[in-house]
Amino acid sequence: QITLKESGPTLVKPTQTLTLTCTVSGISVTTDGVAVAWIRQPPGKAPELLALIYWDDDKHYSPSLERRVTITKDTFKNQVVLIMTNMDPVDTATYYCAHTIRGKSLGAFDHWGQGTVVSVSS
Amino acid sequence: EIVVTQSPDSLAVSLGERATINCKSNQSLIFISNNRDYLAWYQQKPRRPPKLLIYWASTRESGVPDRFSGSGSGTDFTLTISSLQAEDVAVYYCQQYYSGYTFGQGTKLEIK
Repeated sequence: QITLKESGPTLVKPTQTLTLTCTVSGISVTTDGVAVAWIRQPPGKAPELLALIYWDDDKHYSPSLERRVTITKDTFKNQVVLIMTNMDPVDTATYYCAHTIRGKSLGAFDHWGQGTVVSVSS
Repeated sequence: EIVVTQSPDSLAVSLGERATINCKSNQSLIFISNNRDYLAWYQQKPRRPPKLLIYWASTRESGVPDRFSGSGSGTDFTLTISSLQAEDVAVYYCQQYYSGYTFGQGTKLEIK
């Protein structure tokens, strides 16, 4: 059974850097054909993919956010980490990590974490 | 960037009736090498993460009731719930993964 769990601060100040961790269980983040993404959802709005990291360490970033976002993985801890710089109140959202596999063309997300709410306010 | 637009924004359907949600892309989502449409559908209930229902436009995810079906190809897609149940009240999103990953704006489905 694959599970994902997000962790990190619930409140950050404007201009600060956000670091979120996704702990994956039930599958290794280095398993061939596996990818893990960070997706955020502002209140009342649609989800938005921020970044995705593949089993082989290749990465995809949202074009609109790639200057602010970095995704990495810790293979020993089986975790995927998101770093987002220069946080702004408009970045207030629920942040999810989600899993996809080659069998779904590495694009349909079949397992999601419960999400972590991040508020940006001074 | 590929933009996917859903219609309608909200929908009210009687229990047991058919619900239809549309998703239109500004570019074709067919991948020539495998002839598959790179489009997924999700269901999201309040305070819950999205749940994958359909991928490759028409392949039902394991465990999803067969009253949910996806159809369409190229730029026009449809999610159909054949007989609406109370537990189907949710927001539904389409998502393309042909080039990057973008979600539609969502369709809120309610009981009439």
